[in-house]
Amino acid sequence: AQRVTQPEKLLSVFKGAPVELKCNYSYSGSPELFWYVQYSRQRLQLLLRHISRESIKGFTADLNKGETSFHLKKPFAQEEDSAMYYCALRGSGGSYIPTFGRGTSLIVHP
Amino acid sequence: KAGVTQTPRYLIKTRGQQVTLSCSPISGHRSVSWYQQTPGQGLQFLFEYFSETQRNKGNFPGRFSGRQFSNSRSEMNVSTLELGDSALYLCASSSDMTAGELFFGEGSRLTVL
Repeated sequence: AQRVTQPEKLLSVFKGAPVELKCNYSYSGSPELFWYVQYSRQRLQLLLRHISRESIKGFTADLNKGETSFHLKKPFAQEEDSAMYYCALRGSGGSYIPTFGRGTSLIVHP
Repeated sequence: KAGVTQTPRYLIKTRGQQVTLSCSPISGHRSVSWYQQTPGQGLQFLFEYFSETQRNKGNFPGRFSGRQFSNSRSEMNVSTLELGDSALYLCASSSDMTAGELFFGEGSRLTVL
Protein backbone atom coordinates (compact mmCIF):
# COMPACT_ATOMS: atom_id res chain seq x y z
CA ALA A 1 0.00 0.00 0.00
CA GLN A 2 1.18 3.51 -0.70
CA ARG A 3 1.33 6.07 2.06
CA VAL A 4 2.44 9.69 2.40
CA THR A 5 3.34 11.17 5.76
CA GLN A 6 3.72 14.85 6.51
CA PRO A 7 4.76 14.87 10.15
CA GLU A 8 4.13 18.58 10.80
CA LYS A 9 0.59 19.95 10.83
CA LEU A 10 1.90 23.46 11.31
CA LEU A 11 5.21 25.13 10.56
CA SER A 12 5.75 28.70 11.74
CA VAL A 13 8.81 30.73 10.67
CA PHE A 14 9.90 34.33 10.31
CA LYS A 15 10.46 36.05 6.99
CA GLY A 16 13.92 35.36 5.65
CA ALA A 17 14.36 32.12 7.59
CA PRO A 18 14.94 28.80 5.81
CA VAL A 19 11.98 26.51 5.41
CA GLU A 20 11.79 22.73 5.14
CA LEU A 21 8.46 20.94 4.87
CA LYS A 22 8.92 17.24 5.41
CA CYS A 23 7.37 14.46 3.36
CA ASN A 24 8.06 10.76 3.75
CA TYR A 25 6.48 8.08 1.62
CA SER A 26 5.98 4.36 1.49
CA TYR A 27 5.75 2.67 -1.89
CA SER A 28 7.23 -0.52 -3.20
CA GLY A 29 7.85 0.59 -6.77
CA SER A 30 9.07 3.78 -8.44
CA PRO A 31 6.76 6.59 -7.39
CA GLU A 32 6.18 9.99 -8.82
CA LEU A 33 6.12 12.70 -6.17
CA PHE A 34 4.42 16.09 -6.21
CA TRP A 35 3.96 19.11 -4.00
CA TYR A 36 0.63 20.91 -4.23
CA VAL A 37 -0.09 24.25 -2.57
CA GLN A 38 -3.28 26.00 -1.54
CA TYR A 39 -3.05 29.72 -0.83
CA SER A 40 -5.80 31.42 1.14
CA ARG A 41 -9.04 31.57 -0.85
CA GLN A 42 -7.43 29.91 -3.86
CA ARG A 43 -7.76 26.46 -5.31
CA LEU A 44 -5.25 23.67 -4.84
CA GLN A 45 -2.53 23.87 -7.47
CA LEU A 46 0.64 22.07 -8.43
CA LEU A 47 3.82 23.60 -7.05
CA LEU A 48 6.38 21.16 -8.38
CA ARG A 49 6.98 17.53 -9.31
CA HIS A 50 10.14 15.57 -8.82
CA ILE A 51 10.64 14.59 -12.45
CA SER A 52 10.84 18.27 -13.45
CA ARG A 53 13.74 18.92 -11.12
CA GLU A 54 13.02 22.66 -11.28
CA SER A 55 12.73 25.45 -8.74
CA ILE A 56 9.34 27.13 -8.46
CA LYS A 57 8.96 30.35 -6.44
CA GLY A 58 12.33 29.54 -4.88
CA PHE A 59 11.17 26.10 -3.67
CA THR A 60 13.03 22.90 -4.48
CA ALA A 61 12.43 19.28 -3.58
CA ASP A 62 14.71 16.32 -4.10
CA LEU A 63 13.53 12.76 -4.16
CA ASN A 64 15.67 10.67 -1.80
CA LYS A 65 14.86 7.05 -2.53
CA GLY A 66 17.15 5.78 0.22
CA GLU A 67 15.32 7.75 2.89
CA THR A 68 11.98 7.61 0.98
CA SER A 69 11.60 11.35 1.40
CA PHE A 70 10.65 14.31 -0.75
CA HIS A 71 11.16 17.32 1.48
CA LEU A 72 10.27 20.79 0.20
CA LYS A 73 12.85 23.49 0.87
CA LYS A 74 13.29 27.21 0.46
CA PRO A 75 16.33 29.10 1.70
CA PHE A 76 14.55 32.37 2.54
CA ALA A 77 10.83 32.29 3.34
CA GLN A 78 8.55 35.12 2.23
CA GLU A 79 5.21 36.16 3.74
CA GLU A 80 3.45 35.20 0.51
CA ASP A 81 4.61 31.61 1.01
CA SER A 82 2.06 31.24 3.81
CA ALA A 83 -0.25 28.47 2.60
CA MET A 84 -1.25 24.84 3.02
CA TYR A 85 1.19 22.41 1.39
CA TYR A 86 0.34 18.85 0.39
CA CYS A 87 2.78 16.18 -0.63
CA ALA A 88 1.36 13.62 -3.06
CA LEU A 89 2.50 10.32 -4.48
CA ARG A 90 1.37 8.63 -7.63
CA GLY A 91 2.19 5.02 -8.26
CA SER A 92 3.12 3.30 -11.45
CA GLY A 93 2.46 0.04 -13.20
CA GLY A 94 -1.18 0.61 -14.03
CA SER A 95 -2.45 2.18 -10.84
CA TYR A 96 -2.30 5.93 -10.91
CA ILE A 97 -4.38 6.63 -7.85
CA PRO A 98 -2.75 9.58 -6.10
CA THR A 99 -2.18 9.50 -2.36
CA PHE A 100 -1.98 12.79 -0.52
CA GLY A 101 -0.45 13.60 2.81
CA ARG A 102 -2.58 15.39 5.40
CA GLY A 103 -0.90 18.68 4.67
CA THR A 104 1.33 21.17 6.46
CA SER A 105 0.21 24.70 7.14
CA LEU A 106 3.12 27.11 6.67
CA ILE A 107 2.89 30.50 8.34
CA VAL A 108 5.57 33.06 7.60
CA HIS A 109 5.63 35.94 10.07
CA PRO A 110 6.85 39.43 9.07
CA LYS B 1 -8.89 28.54 -20.75
CA ALA B 2 -11.57 28.32 -18.11
CA GLY B 3 -10.61 26.34 -15.04
CA VAL B 4 -12.37 23.40 -13.47
CA THR B 5 -15.87 24.41 -12.39
CA GLN B 6 -17.77 22.76 -9.59
CA THR B 7 -21.39 23.29 -8.64
CA PRO B 8 -22.93 23.90 -6.24
CA ARG B 9 -20.26 25.59 -4.14
CA TYR B 10 -22.14 25.13 -0.87
CA LEU B 11 -25.01 22.95 0.19
CA ILE B 12 -26.69 21.77 3.34
CA LYS B 13 -28.49 18.47 3.58
CA THR B 14 -29.95 16.34 6.34
CA ARG B 15 -29.12 12.77 7.21
CA GLY B 16 -30.68 10.23 4.90
CA GLN B 17 -30.93 12.57 1.93
CA GLN B 18 -28.92 12.22 -1.21
CA VAL B 19 -26.82 14.77 -3.07
CA THR B 20 -25.43 15.21 -6.57
CA LEU B 21 -22.34 17.31 -7.26
CA SER B 22 -21.22 18.43 -10.68
CA CYS B 23 -17.81 19.06 -12.21
CA SER B 24 -16.92 20.59 -15.57
CA PRO B 25 -13.28 19.91 -16.47
CA ILE B 26 -10.91 22.10 -18.40
CA SER B 27 -11.71 21.94 -22.09
CA GLY B 28 -9.90 19.03 -23.70
CA HIS B 29 -9.29 17.18 -20.45
CA ARG B 30 -10.73 13.67 -20.48
CA SER B 31 -9.83 12.55 -16.97
CA VAL B 32 -11.86 13.66 -13.98
CA SER B 33 -11.10 12.54 -10.46
CA TRP B 34 -12.91 13.25 -7.19
CA TYR B 35 -11.55 13.72 -3.67
CA GLN B 36 -13.00 14.17 -0.21
CA GLN B 37 -11.15 16.73 1.88
CA THR B 38 -11.60 16.86 5.65
CA PRO B 39 -9.43 18.52 8.32
CA GLY B 40 -8.54 15.22 9.93
CA GLN B 41 -7.95 13.04 6.86
CA GLY B 42 -6.65 15.47 4.25
CA LEU B 43 -7.48 14.56 0.64
CA GLN B 44 -8.81 11.10 0.02
CA PHE B 45 -9.31 9.72 -3.47
CA LEU B 46 -12.88 8.76 -4.35
CA PHE B 47 -12.79 7.74 -8.02
CA GLU B 48 -11.51 8.64 -11.45
CA TYR B 49 -13.26 8.66 -14.79
CA PHE B 50 -11.72 8.68 -18.23
CA SER B 51 -13.77 8.71 -21.43
CA GLU B 52 -16.96 7.87 -19.52
CA THR B 53 -15.39 4.83 -17.81
CA GLN B 54 -14.48 4.52 -14.17
CA ARG B 55 -10.80 3.61 -14.15
CA ASN B 56 -10.01 3.71 -10.47
CA LYS B 57 -11.98 3.70 -7.25
CA GLY B 58 -10.94 4.60 -3.75
CA ASN B 59 -11.90 2.96 -0.51
CA PHE B 60 -15.34 4.46 0.01
CA PRO B 61 -18.69 2.72 0.52
CA GLY B 62 -21.09 2.08 -2.32
CA ARG B 63 -23.16 5.10 -1.26
CA PHE B 64 -20.60 7.13 -3.18
CA SER B 65 -20.96 6.84 -6.92
CA GLY B 66 -20.18 8.84 -10.00
CA ARG B 67 -20.40 9.03 -13.71
CA GLN B 68 -18.93 10.89 -16.62
CA PHE B 69 -20.72 12.14 -19.70
CA SER B 70 -19.55 12.22 -23.30
CA ASN B 71 -18.53 15.88 -22.93
CA SER B 72 -16.24 14.84 -20.00
CA ARG B 73 -18.43 16.58 -17.42
CA SER B 74 -18.76 14.44 -14.32
CA GLU B 75 -21.18 14.05 -11.45
CA MET B 76 -20.81 12.35 -8.14
CA ASN B 77 -23.69 11.19 -6.00
CA VAL B 78 -23.84 10.37 -2.33
CA SER B 79 -26.94 8.55 -1.14
CA THR B 80 -28.26 8.09 2.38
CA LEU B 81 -26.12 10.91 3.74
CA GLU B 82 -24.42 10.53 7.10
CA LEU B 83 -23.04 13.24 9.38
CA GLY B 84 -19.53 12.02 8.56
CA ASP B 85 -20.01 12.87 4.89
CA SER B 86 -19.67 16.56 5.72
CA ALA B 87 -16.59 17.63 3.80
CA LEU B 88 -15.21 19.62 0.91
CA TYR B 89 -15.51 17.58 -2.26
CA LEU B 90 -12.87 18.44 -4.83
CA CYS B 91 -12.85 17.60 -8.47
CA ALA B 92 -9.68 17.59 -10.55
CA SER B 93 -9.15 17.24 -14.25
CA SER B 94 -6.18 16.30 -16.37
CA SER B 95 -5.53 15.37 -19.95
CA ASP B 96 -4.95 11.91 -18.56
CA MET B 97 -4.40 11.10 -14.89
CA THR B 98 -1.37 9.09 -15.93
CA ALA B 99 0.16 12.35 -17.14
CA GLY B 100 0.64 13.65 -13.64
CA GLU B 101 -0.57 17.17 -12.98
CA LEU B 102 -4.06 17.61 -11.61
CA PHE B 103 -6.05 20.83 -12.03
CA PHE B 104 -8.45 21.32 -9.15
CA GLY B 105 -11.78 23.05 -8.87
CA GLU B 106 -12.73 25.20 -5.89
CA GLY B 107 -14.81 22.41 -4.41
CA SER B 108 -18.33 21.81 -3.18
CA ARG B 109 -18.71 22.17 0.56
CA LEU B 110 -21.31 19.75 1.87
CA THR B 111 -22.73 20.04 5.36
CA VAL B 112 -24.90 17.22 6.64
CA LEU B 113 -27.15 18.04 9.60
